[in-house]
Amino acid sequence: DQQVKQNSPSLSVQEGRISILNCDYTNSMFDYFLWYKKYPAEGPTFLISISSIKDKNEDGRFTVFLNKSAKHLSLHIVPSQPGDSAVYFCAASAINNFNKFYFGSGTKLNVKP
Amino acid sequence: SQTIHQWPATLVQPVGSPLSLECTVEGTSNPNLYWYRQAAGRGLQLLFYSVGIGQISSEVPQNLSASRPQDRQFILSSKKLLLSDSGFYLCAWNGLGTGNTIYFGEGSWLTVV
Repeated sequence: DQQVKQNSPSLSVQEGRISILNCDYTNSMFDYFLWYKKYPAEGPTFLISISSIKDKNEDGRFTVFLNKSAKHLSLHIVPSQPGDSAVYFCAASAINNFNKFYFGSGTKLNVKP
Repeated sequence: SQTIHQWPATLVQPVGSPLSLECTVEGTSNPNLYWYRQAAGRGLQLLFYSVGIGQISSEVPQNLSASRPQDRQFILSSKKLLLSDSGFYLCAWNGLGTGNTIYFGEGSWLTVV
């Protein structure tokens, strides 16, 4: 049973436009969420995170939004650049079980020049 | 600064042969250590995690085992590989100074033939 879901396996966006990647979760105990970027044959790199006490966290071109009532989070990239083309994973953990991180299946973003 | 390394980067093994992937973390002590697997076209699946020497938690029943013989060393093993063990294996860690974020190694690509 997958507790973190990314229902869009791929997304294609024009350079300069906004990329929106979505993630849903089922476990109401999750209170910390992360986004990772992954290139082929490399380990994922941490991008941005958000705790459940916030509904928005921004870092440069990257903003993560959290809607706790809907159990939904999204990653916005503005403006999108060709170098952003990669697979993006969302992940979640719970403060009462902080050793476990559950990942979605990933969304492959293609930013076209 | 803290770093994580895993090896080998790639390997091709025949069915029924043993496996040993090694991961080490530098620049920290008593880290939490993780093994994840990314199967082709799928997300990151947590296989094992460890909060200390000799302490291993298994997430899914499988043909693999993990060991932590030293504080900053985590080993993934199999006595007899199956075709279904093919995938991209990732070691990760978190601990002092990382907050609720985990950081990944470079990954090991295993092909069982």
